[in-house]
Amino acid sequence: GAGVSQSPRYKVAKRGQDVALRCDPISGHVSLFWYQQALGQGPEFLTYFQNEAQLDKSGLPSDRFFAERPEGSVSTLKIQRTQQEDSAVYLCASSPLTGTYANGYTFGSGTRLTVV
Amino acid sequence: GNSVTQMEGPVTLSEEAFLTINCTYTATGYPSLFWYVQYPGEGLQLLLKATKADDKGSNKGFEATYRKETTSFHLEKGSVQVSDSAVYFCALPSSGSARQLTFGSGTQLTVLP
Repeated sequence: GAGVSQSPRYKVAKRGQDVALRCDPISGHVSLFWYQQALGQGPEFLTYFQNEAQLDKSGLPSDRFFAERPEGSVSTLKIQRTQQEDSAVYLCASSPLTGTYANGYTFGSGTRLTVV
Repeated sequence: GNSVTQMEGPVTLSEEAFLTINCTYTATGYPSLFWYVQYPGEGLQLLLKATKADDKGSNKGFEATYRKETTSFHLEKGSVQVSDSAVYFCALPSSGSARQLTFGSGTQLTVLP
């Protein structure tokens, strides 16, 4: 597609519910990233995929967070047993590059998750 | 590790005013530096970048110069427009991984007509 597409745009979950957030990167982009952006803050890194391989998941805040990209294109970020502190905007970004990112990424519009 | 400290907002200006948003960084070596912009309801967009010391990045009338002496990358625009209202983020690669970006906390800019 022309850009990075994320769905849903908004998600309200009851505490304890599981959620799944979807990211469609730009076609052919090798690298895919998930970031978490709390209200009034800058995005913080969660995890990184190169094709289908999850090469870095050091930013995932707990084992309730899980991400996958089984065919090297679409990615899903799953949060189990959601808690109020999980409320944030979840941003997906993709890049055609696998090395340094001097040209930056292309970000999606994000999914705003609110846990009540 | 690498970090950025960004001017706190919000910043409110009248149209055609001069804009400066301060950004200072702490880093190992001389990594690329970025400014991203987030318009209401949209994702982050790369506004400009500089890949080495003394480089000047520019785009859409915005400029920022990579100054290693002062470890700064301040964003400037000579005459802002209402359409520039957005949140601006300074960023650099995270230490230990050129793939990840470390972002500042963002500066909300509102331009009044």
